[in-house]
Amino acid sequence: ETGVTQSPTHLIKTRGQQVTLRCSSQSGHNTVSWYQQALGQGPQFIFQYYREEENGRGNFPPRFSGLQFPNYSSELNVNALELDDSALYLCASSLGDRVETQYFGPGTRLLVL
Amino acid sequence: GEDVEQSLFLSVREGDSSVINCTYTDSSSTYLYWYKQEPGAGLQLLTYIFSNMDMKQDQRLTVLLNKKDKHLSLRIADTQTGDSAIYFCAPGGNSGNTPLVFGKGTRLSVIA
Repeated sequence: ETGVTQSPTHLIKTRGQQVTLRCSSQSGHNTVSWYQQALGQGPQFIFQYYREEENGRGNFPPRFSGLQFPNYSSELNVNALELDDSALYLCASSLGDRVETQYFGPGTRLLVL
Repeated sequence: GEDVEQSLFLSVREGDSSVINCTYTDSSSTYLYWYKQEPGAGLQLLTYIFSNMDMKQDQRLTVLLNKKDKHLSLRIADTQTGDSAIYFCAPGGNSGNTPLVFGKGTRLSVIA
């Protein structure tokens, strides 16, 4: 049990809709990273938030956006959903300068129909 | 960018040792991680090794690093059915903020 929680656990949306996924980081962690894991693939880095600012972004289009709040919890928003957005979305919390503290939540499984 | 390769499947008998191999391309990786993913779950950090080390042992887990060949391996001694999962190696940078790069993972099946 890592202390990182995500909600909801499962979600079904239709193409073109918008979705918001949430992540609560482990106590004391100031960084949240989001990853997309398609079926049969490894996780791919979407973006990272450090102290409420975006701190790096992977190869994902602008319709993937995020927020980090003063308590370091975070949201991932995806607009104009496409079928290929169906995946497990994982967040990982960490403390910036502590390499061993990258802990993942259980993920949100999104299905786009 | 970084590329990570792992064999997709490994099957071992309960009680035997498992060896999961990984090759990567970015020689600047400072820390290299191993994660375990059970069905329907998130990723569990198993262990990591610093790039200036050749070996790290942690109970049943042994990590070997050949930095020259950019080859990383994870050995699980006395493999148990509870070790059945997908294992990912993830080369990373030098802080907890460095994004991780994952391969497709190795699915370990343990036969009783």
